[in-house]
Amino acid sequence: GNSVTQMEGPVTLSEEAFLTINCTYTATGYPSLFWYVQYPGEGLQLLLKATKADDKGSNKGFEATYRKETTSFHLEKGSVQVSDSAVYFCALSDYNNAGNMLTFGGGTRLMVKP
Amino acid sequence: SQTIHQWPATLVQPVGSPLSLECTVEGTSNPNLYWYRQAAGRGLQLLFYSVGIGQISSEVPQNLSASRPQDRQFILSSKKLLLSDSGFYLCAWSLGHNSYNEQFFGPGTRLTVL
Repeated sequence: GNSVTQMEGPVTLSEEAFLTINCTYTATGYPSLFWYVQYPGEGLQLLLKATKADDKGSNKGFEATYRKETTSFHLEKGSVQVSDSAVYFCALSDYNNAGNMLTFGGGTRLMVKP
Repeated sequence: SQTIHQWPATLVQPVGSPLSLECTVEGTSNPNLYWYRQAAGRGLQLLFYSVGIGQISSEVPQNLSASRPQDRQFILSSKKLLLSDSGFYLCAWSLGHNSYNEQFFGPGTRLTVL
């Protein structure tokens, strides 16, 4: 079956530091890959996505590249801000999944200190 | 544009009392609908999903149930709440035949069972 593994948090960084949150996946088909962000007390927001190998998703300074050879989709940002403090979820969806269901990783909490 | 609503935003209920959480989607037709639960500091657990009116699939056996009385309305219910039902409940929707398969989440309902 499908699975997503994320690095465990919390990840604590100083403002303007470089961020990497690792995500690897296992899938039987050709999945689409997503990063979601959850700010305190809120629902999940789609941060970025990639639908095929070597695609790069980007949004708000965050980037992730779909690496089929390493089955990875690591999230990066060159300079984090305090406002980036949140929980980040990596997820995949198999195109052939009739229920359009997502498989989520366990989430990684990011804390950015000023 | 599409929007998703959940209510109530917060709820405190005694053990053994009934539960009804509502989710509605605007601006789209025939969406797939999902209920997730997020325990404190934990990841997402898919509870139910629906691909059409009256069609409900359960992912986890429990004392909760779901119903879809209208195309864009999804209800989560319980006849008798347990302490372990406390958590953050998220509703989500996706397009039924979207190759990207991303899901869009509501703001959530925080349920505390005392």
